[in-house]
Order: sequence, then structure tokens, then C-alpha cells
Amino acid sequence: AAGVIQSPRHLIKEKRETATLKCYPIPRHDTVYWYQQGPGQDPQFLISFYEKMQSDKGSIPDRFSAQQFSDYHSELNMSSLELGDSALYFCASSSTGGIYNEQFFGPGTRLTVL
Amino acid sequence: AQSVTQPDIHITVSEGASLELRCNYSYGATPYLFWYVQSPGQGLQLLLKYFSGDTLVQGIKGFEAEFKRSQSSFNLRKPSVHWSDAAEYFCAVEDYGQNFVFGPGTRLSVLP
Repeated sequence: AAGVIQSPRHLIKEKRETATLKCYPIPRHDTVYWYQQGPGQDPQFLISFYEKMQSDKGSIPDRFSAQQFSDYHSELNMSSLELGDSALYFCASSSTGGIYNEQFFGPGTRLTVL
Repeated sequence: AQSVTQPDIHITVSEGASLELRCNYSYGATPYLFWYVQSPGQGLQLLLKYFSGDTLVQGIKGFEAEFKRSQSSFNLRKPSVHWSDAAEYFCAVEDYGQNFVFGPGTRLSVLP
């Protein structure tokens, strides 16, 4: 079965650079979520989109922005990168058409900021 | 706000021994509850979930969890631990916004 795809899987950037992470949800899933997991930390919710509109916002820094496109894929844009942005970034998708809003997680993108 | 606590930061058990990982949540209604496992440097793998119905839930890899409303708990159990079970385990609650709130995680070490 198709799963959530994230690209790239690994990304190395330097301070003050920008990064773009991509997430391709499971087909027919209409909602995308982004989570950030710092080293040794639990995943923290950043932001979510439903039908291309932002549906909820968590602890996402102002330097970050995200959007969901017409094909339901989502991109997380990160600017002025800081060392503390080094983390594993997960994307999850779900379908509101189901009875339960179960989220399916992608493998994550590991971002390293040098 | 919803919160999830996992009182044990690190647990060490011998291979073949039984295991119980604790999870407590703070939530106004009966939430949707999940347990995920994460191997070092890897993504999150769903072990099991509880939405409603039978409070004892069976998952993959021989894990089970029991939802106890009176204790606001959703503890994960396994009767006999294997060395490959060594990993980080996260309990999660789906909150009102349908986003996940994760617990801090419990790191499981398995002794041969």
C-alpha cells in the first residue's frame, strides 16, 4: 500500500540558509500535518492543512512557512536556519472521510544545520 | 490543553522478561490513543491504537495495551521482550484539533 513520502530524506544546510521539505500524502488523503522532533525529544506539532487551507498551527517559528498544493502535497519552507532547527521533520496525512482521523506518518526528513 | 505523560524515561529489562510501559493523559473526553515505536534514527511505527470498544487492544510485534478510563491510562505491555524491541516508545493522544500530542517517550533497553 502507498505510504506518505517525504523528500529529501536527509538535508544538510548551513546557518542562515533556507530549506524546503516536501511531503506527499497517501492518495485521497486531504489533510497533512508537520511535526518536528529534536534530538532526544518527542515530536512536536508544527502546522496542519486541510483541503489546501491551514487548519491548525502549533509551535511553528515565524521563520517557517508551509502550504498545501492542489495535488495535496505540502512543502515546509524554512528560512534563516539556526543550529537549533536541526531535527527530524515528520509529515503525516489523514483522510477526513474516514470514521477516525488516523494519521499516517512518513519516514521523516533529517535536517542538519551546520 | 491535552498532555501526555510517560513517567519512565528509561527502562531496562532482560530478554524474555515481561514489559509494561506507562502512559497517562489529561483529556476531557475519551481520546484516541496510540503507541508508536521509534528505532534510532528511524521514523515512527504504529504499534496499536484505541478508538473505542474493547479496552484491551492488540497490536503488532506481540504488543498489547489496555485503556483504563478511571485511571486515564493506556499502558503498553508485552509478555516476553525480544532484543529487537530495544527502541524509544511514544504514547500519543489525538487532541481536539486532531493533531497528535506525544508523550516524552520511554527508552527501552534489553539485556541479553
